[in-house]
Amino acid sequence: EDQVTQSPEALRLQEGESSSLNCSYTVSGLRGLFWYRQDPGKGPEFLFTLYSAGEEKEKERLKATLTKKESFLHITAPKPEDSATYLCAGGSQGGSEKLVFGKGTKLTVNP
Amino acid sequence: GAVVSQHPSRVICKSGTSVKIECRSLDFQATTMFWYRQFPKQSLMLMATSNEGSKATYEQGVEKDKFLINHASLTLSTLTVTSAHPEDSSFYICSARDPGTGGYEQYFGPGTRLTVT
Repeated sequence: EDQVTQSPEALRLQEGESSSLNCSYTVSGLRGLFWYRQDPGKGPEFLFTLYSAGEEKEKERLKATLTKKESFLHITAPKPEDSATYLCAGGSQGGSEKLVFGKGTKLTVNP
Repeated sequence: GAVVSQHPSRVICKSGTSVKIECRSLDFQATTMFWYRQFPKQSLMLMATSNEGSKATYEQGVEKDKFLINHASLTLSTLTVTSAHPEDSSFYICSARDPGTGGYEQYFGPGTRLTVT
């Protein structure tokens, strides 16, 4: 069974304090590893797709990386507006386009 | 690009009534849309995959007679919660893949908060 596990469940940082969120996955025939940001009471916002080990993508203070077993979302010098829940999801090859989501990491950045 | 809308954003209904939620892809055509449910402080739970012009595929444990899904066009899917009960109160979110991007990422709507009294 495909599984995606995120850690930690919650993370508190001071503004400017860099850190990383982890997403480990067991997805047969990974078709893509996806990162989303979700603010309270809103739908998830797409951030990145990673397709193969070694791939990296960046957007402002965020950088996502992928290995054969896990993905990291690195946050450099975070600001309070980066506070949100970050979701990781895996898609497997085959006929279904379903994504399997992790439970998310709730990030709080204090000023 | 890749904008998905939902309507309504919030709805309160009485127990026993039915509620319809609309999901639209605004700037692309979506042959496949997805319906999720999210409980407080929990992750997304896929309810069903909606395919344009054909029957939806429901996940195990989701009552297809209770959660009716219709994907009538390439830009519209609807979820109808029939005979709603308080335990159906939840945050419902739809998503769609934009085949024009060549990727498999899903773009999500803003969600609909359903409260059944």
